[in-house]
Amino acid sequence: DTEVTQTPKHLVMGMTNKKSLKCEQHMGHRAMYWYKQKAKKPPELMFVYSYEKLSINESVPSRFSPECPNSSLLNLHLHALQPEDSALYLCASSPVGAANYGYTFGSGTRLTVV
Amino acid sequence: EDQVTQSPEALRLQEGESSSLNCSYTVSGLRGLFWYRQDPGKGPEFLFTLYSAGEEKEKERLKATLTKKESFLHITAPKPEDSATYLCAVTGANSKLTFGKGITLSVRP
Repeated sequence: DTEVTQTPKHLVMGMTNKKSLKCEQHMGHRAMYWYKQKAKKPPELMFVYSYEKLSINESVPSRFSPECPNSSLLNLHLHALQPEDSALYLCASSPVGAANYGYTFGSGTRLTVV
Repeated sequence: EDQVTQSPEALRLQEGESSSLNCSYTVSGLRGLFWYRQDPGKGPEFLFTLYSAGEEKEKERLKATLTKKESFLHITAPKPEDSATYLCAVTGANSKLTFGKGITLSVRP
């Protein structure tokens, strides 16, 4: 299985809602990532998990809360988002220390904050 | 800070018209240069990894090459289904993946 699966594919939420994005991979990768991508822009790194521990937080606002419950799952909890947070949220995975490898990306969750 | 610059921003080709996409980079201790293809509303799809100057890799109509300062993605006799955004990215000593802004390729039948 060489896939990263993200759910839901689309999400519309109000600014007072709480929602979660989910990511799952079964490739045995022990590094997982959240990226945010605005239209016509490259992906921007948000968080990195290595062996289920948060290793990098790229100064992301606290209204985004990541969680890695086990080696196959990665969640992104959303609360009190702003319209400018609307974007494509991408999950990726790789072997740890995978500077020499290509990351495997999921298809993303298209988030719209209204 | 690692930097990746891709050019042109957009490229329109006629079917069968070969061309090249450019990726210039500055990185401290290059560990890998990556090419991805991204279709609208989808995640990036891995194409190639290049590790050292002089390296070349091919896949169907695509060929990636690497020098000490830049990489090229050559597209030979493109088809409309090759239309997509092509992203270049590097990892250096900090092991972070740094992306360029991408090149949007349109191939007309």
